[in-house]
Amino acid sequence: EVHLVESGGGFVKPGGSLRLSCATSGFTFNNVWMNWVRQAPGKGLEWVGRIESKTNGETTNYAAPVKGRFTISRDDSKTTLYLQMNSLITEDTAVYYCTTMKNVAAAADYWGQGTLVTVSS
Amino acid sequence: DIQMTQSPSSLSASVGDRVTITCRASQSISSNLNWYQQKPGKAPKLLIYGASSLQSGVPSRFSGGGSGTDFTLTISSLQPEDFIVYYCQQTDIIPNTFGQGTKLEI
Repeated sequence: EVHLVESGGGFVKPGGSLRLSCATSGFTFNNVWMNWVRQAPGKGLEWVGRIESKTNGETTNYAAPVKGRFTISRDDSKTTLYLQMNSLITEDTAVYYCTTMKNVAAAADYWGQGTLVTVSS
Repeated sequence: DIQMTQSPSSLSASVGDRVTITCRASQSISSNLNWYQQKPGKAPKLLIYGASSLQSGVPSRFSGGGSGTDFTLTISSLQPEDFIVYYCQQTDIIPNTFGQGTKLEI
């Protein structure tokens, strides 16, 4: 059974940093592309970025609001996905979800439970 | 960026009704369109991928259609657990944008 468990969320002041982790199990992590998606309180879903597999060079792509501030990485030996968030702003306050990506239509087929990041002074 | 516009934003219906939610892309996205549902306080769940393929384990009352710029999610006979929020997402072009969501209400 596929499991994704996010951790590392919390309260941080504007300008601060956090690193989120997504521990995975139940599938062959090194073959799977992964996403981060976020949801601000009471709002809709926002795609944050993705990382391809090592065989695809671990290529990353980001949404404009986070590009240059957030970095997605993966450790295939630990089957864990990361999201390093720097220069945080209040608009980054959200629940952050990691997801797997199907190899058809890049659909987000498995999701973690999410971890809340609150950016406030 | 590709803009995804869902309509309606909210929809009142009854158990047993057939409903259709529409998602329109600002440019052609082929069939790279996915549908999700989200219960309050929970992670989204994939329903339909590639515009019309039913995700494993999803009830057959859900179906998707369309290609290019116009897509639909149809629920053939609403069940009580279906009165939640639905999102479309395009995965044709980075960034993979979501629609704003459609809330199904009794």
